[in-house]
Amino acid sequence: GQQVMQIPQYQHVQEGEDFTTYCNSSTTLSNIQWYKQRPGGHPVFLIQLVKSGEVKKQKRLTFQFGEAKKNSSLHITATQTTDVGTYFCAVCNTGTASKLTFGTGTRLQVTL
Amino acid sequence: DAGVTQSPTHLIKTRGQHVTLRCSPISGHKSVSWYQQVLGQGPQFIFQYYEKEERGRGNFPDRFSARQFPNYSSELNVNALLLGDSALYLCASSLFPGVDEQYFGPGTRLTVT
Repeated sequence: GQQVMQIPQYQHVQEGEDFTTYCNSSTTLSNIQWYKQRPGGHPVFLIQLVKSGEVKKQKRLTFQFGEAKKNSSLHITATQTTDVGTYFCAVCNTGTASKLTFGTGTRLQVTL
Repeated sequence: DAGVTQSPTHLIKTRGQHVTLRCSPISGHKSVSWYQQVLGQGPQFIFQYYEKEERGRGNFPDRFSARQFPNYSSELNVNALLLGDSALYLCASSLFPGVDEQYFGPGTRLTVT
């Protein structure tokens, strides 16, 4: 089955530092979604990328889809304690069902 | 507007028992998907239903089954529970089963002893 790897598995930063998580696939992706899951919570949709080389921004968050559509990244500028959680990329397999294949996730810890 | 709701919140069962988990999608959403999330891992796809029909099935044994009702709510059933079935079971709804963002419910935490 399709595998999506994320690095790093875990990152601990001080508030104000930047953070980046990377998502890699061995196959070309039709699209990629990003979700955030707070400790004890459920995944919350952040964004979907579809086009090769696409870059989207949401306030301090910047999402990028690789030119070859095999990788993606999420960059957070000047982290805050509210950014704590696990960030998952997810690949949506097109067809008759929107089956999401989640990446391994990157857990972000932010301390003052 | 109410989001995706799931019941119960927590559940403790014994090996070999059966469990039924319930999900109500966001009003107007016709597609419901089920995911299993083991501690420390990403959610794994179990089923997707759209208009009461199964549209997708993940790599789970036949002990897992689901159905969708005319009001688009859904049930996930697991028979002959194993210790390894202990997990957070998430329901997600979307307008359509195509490429669409998924709205997740709070999940049901199942513990099998």
